[in-house]
Parts: sequence; structure tokens; C-alpha cells
Amino acid sequence: KAGVTQTPRYLIKTRGQQVTLSCSPISGHRSVSWYQQTPGQGLQFLFEYFSETQRNKGNFPGRFSGRQFSNSRSEMNVSTLELGDSALYLCASSLEPGGNTEAFFGQGTRLTVV
Amino acid sequence: QQQVKQSPQSLIVQKGGIPIINCAYENTAFDYFPWYQQFPGKGPALLIAIRPDVSEKKEGRFTISFNKSAKQFSLHIMDSQPGDSATYFCSSGGGADGLTFGKGTHLIIQP
Repeated sequence: KAGVTQTPRYLIKTRGQQVTLSCSPISGHRSVSWYQQTPGQGLQFLFEYFSETQRNKGNFPGRFSGRQFSNSRSEMNVSTLELGDSALYLCASSLEPGGNTEAFFGQGTRLTVV
Repeated sequence: QQQVKQSPQSLIVQKGGIPIINCAYENTAFDYFPWYQQFPGKGPALLIAIRPDVSEKKEGRFTISFNKSAKQFSLHIMDSQPGDSATYFCSSGGGADGLTFGKGTHLIIQP
């Protein structure tokens, strides 16, 4: 069974631009969560989607948004990029939402804002 | 967001030794405690997980010990190998915000 696929793997953007990242979950998984990983803050929860609905959102500004499609694929968007948005963005897929079932991560998208 | 405190930040162990990584959580709503292993350039990989109805779980060389009353859990790696050198994250789930992660432990197993 294929794992979680994130595209692209690497991105370089300029301050003020926007970016869209994509995540394809494991087949049959309907929950997708997004996390930001930085050396200083570690892994931080961004938001979770289940059945095309955002279930909850972490403590990030409104510039961070996402959506989920009917095939469970998810995208996250960051608008008006700031230098501090440089990070590894990870998505995790699971059968059920809520963070209390097995969650499998993709390889991540490394975003660099210059 | 409720915290999960992980220690130590870094750990060096000789091959064959038993590294132990400790975590403490605050939110009593958490009911799922997975550990992840991450190699450079890769996403975190689920290693082993435990629920609070058991005090210990073993999978291969990896063991989780869980103390519900103290709100603590730990990872032990038996017969550690250089290939186990990685960053390990504890996490807690079942609250409102997906998984809450510790800051990570950078583990080095020396040959």
C-alpha cells in the first residue's frame, strides 16, 4: 500500500508570495492533519481535515489555510509568506480524526522563504 | 496547547546499551501515546504506541513504559544499534489539537 505522498518536496519562495502544498493520504484514510516542523518550535499542529471539513486548527495566523477534497487529498496554503514560515511542512494521514489513532507521515515539503 | 515535555534533548549511548527517553504530559484527556522516529531528510515514522489501559508495551527492541498516575511515559531501546541513531519524538493524542509532540531527543549510538 502506498504511503503518504507530499508534493513538492522542496520550494523556495520570496517574502510576500503565497504557496500551496499538496498531500495525498494513504488509500482508505479520510483524516489528514498538517504540522509545521522547525528547529526552534519542533512539531506544531496546524489543522486537521476529515470528510472535507476542518475539524480543528492550531495556533497559527489566518494566513495558513487548508482544504480537503472528496478523494481525501488535502492542500494547505500560506499567503503573504514571511521569513519565519521557512519550515518543513508535514502531513499525516489516519483512518479516523482526533489524534488518537495511528497517524502516518509523509516525507514533508521543505519550504524556504527568502 | 497542552504541553508534552521530553528529556533528554540529546543522548549518546554505546552500542548494545539501553537508551531511555522520558516524556510527561499535562492533559488528562490524552488517551493515545505514540513514539516517532525521524531520520534526517525524512518524515517521522511511527515506531510504537500505547494506550493508558496498559503499563507496558513491547515491539521488537522497543518498549514503552506508561505511568498513568504520574502522567509519564518512556521509551526504552534494547540492544541499541548504530542504525537506531535518529531523533525520537514522543507525542500525545486524543485532545482537541491532533497530536501534541515533545521537542525531540537526538540519539546517537556509538559503535
